[in-house]
Amino acid sequence: EIVLTQSPGTLSLSPGERATLSCRASQTVYSNFLAWYQHKPGRAPRLLVYGASTRAAGIPDRFSATGSGADFTLSISRLEPEDFAVYYCQQYYRSPNGFGQGTRLEIK
Amino acid sequence: QVELRESGPGLVKPSETLSLTCAVSGGSIISSNWWCWVRQTPEKGLEWIGEIYHSGSPNYNPSLESRVIMSVDKPKNQFSLMLHSVTAADTAVYYCARGANGHGYGLYWGQGIVVTVSS
Repeated sequence: EIVLTQSPGTLSLSPGERATLSCRASQTVYSNFLAWYQHKPGRAPRLLVYGASTRAAGIPDRFSATGSGADFTLSISRLEPEDFAVYYCQQYYRSPNGFGQGTRLEIK
Repeated sequence: QVELRESGPGLVKPSETLSLTCAVSGGSIISSNWWCWVRQTPEKGLEWIGEIYHSGSPNYNPSLESRVIMSVDKPKNQFSLMLHSVTAADTAVYYCARGANGHGYGLYWGQGIVVTVSS
């Protein structure tokens, strides 16, 4: 089973700042089968990125993602008020398609 | 536009079976996609329960595998989740989701359904 560890657990930033979130896998995630989601209370998770770096349709370009192998990063270049949420990574290379424990992005 | 909608009881007694259905509209259940269930709790965050293809062949989270059954109902264009012998730890928001391009990430999601396990 591939275990994903996200860091930091909580990130406190101000609107306009840059956010950098990390997702580290316990094994290589081949073919870069890694996705990122944004989750807000009372709403369904929203797919941001798949294939480690491909933005989903309608996702603003302030969201970018990189990585390969076992280390992946999601960056948000200029935080907007609506970006404060919990972010999860998920690998879908090998079942079980587990999620990381999440990074809470909160307003400083 | 593909839409998913979960339905089922919001309250289940301990030791009983949680049964949820996800109705699919705007697309066919027999498309080349994986259909999955995910749940969310404040303590664990998002937890992948499992996925199923329209031909069957489910994959389950090993931590839940002994209690989970997923199935597809092609005529009704829906898929279902059964979780047996529930406890308070199974209290969560349950989501159904669909992948894309034959992959297991969640492109389309239902709005979620709150299920509480309590006597």
